[in-house]
Amino acid sequence: DTGVSQDPRHKITKRGQNVTFRCDPISEHNRLYWYRQTLGQGPEFLTYFQNEAQLEKSRLLSDRFSAERPKGSFSTLEIQRTEQGDSAMYLCASSSSGVGNTEAFFGQGTRLTVV
Amino acid sequence: GIQVEQSPPDLILQEGANSTLRCNFSDSVNNLQWFHQNPWGQLINLFYIPSGTKQNGRLSATTVATERYSLLYISSSQTTDSGVYFCAVEPTGANSKLTFGKGITLSVRP
Repeated sequence: DTGVSQDPRHKITKRGQNVTFRCDPISEHNRLYWYRQTLGQGPEFLTYFQNEAQLEKSRLLSDRFSAERPKGSFSTLEIQRTEQGDSAMYLCASSSSGVGNTEAFFGQGTRLTVV
Repeated sequence: GIQVEQSPPDLILQEGANSTLRCNFSDSVNNLQWFHQNPWGQLINLFYIPSGTKQNGRLSATTVATERYSLLYISSSQTTDSGVYFCAVEPTGANSKLTFGKGITLSVRP
């Protein structure tokens, strides 16, 4: 397994456009997380899935954001009507839910620039 | 929610020096991880250490869960150690999400 994979690595979009990012987790991991990181800050939690169920959403996740994990494998994060404030690094992570080890592993991130 | 404070915020070292990075957290935790963020933004796992001490080469980490802090030690620093170091915790009884500190920016000069 090559680890958590995210696509695209970079995305530049015009304000008002919709964008979609993809995350492929480590295959044996049943948990998948999305985080957002802005310049000079640590990553902030957005949402997480256990298998295909979305179990928690942060208040940071406005109505313009939606995430899916339809078959419990890969996930997509869509941002509708992008705003300049959405410019950030979007990070995906995965982990198992096994007792005693929930170590999370992160992908390389998708850097979004809204112009 | 849980608070995570890292110190110092910035650190400048000469190559070969040793350093200690600190992470304080405000509540009990199930999970604590240290990451190094490379210049391209990827978070590289250093340690998964909810308690105890671990070592990996020139790096070691200790978490004293009862006193709610963790330390990351870097010995004989190299220029490639430069970057941002994050501590992240998962509170006990929470739902597995990590809360990150603001990070420590380390610069190792040749």
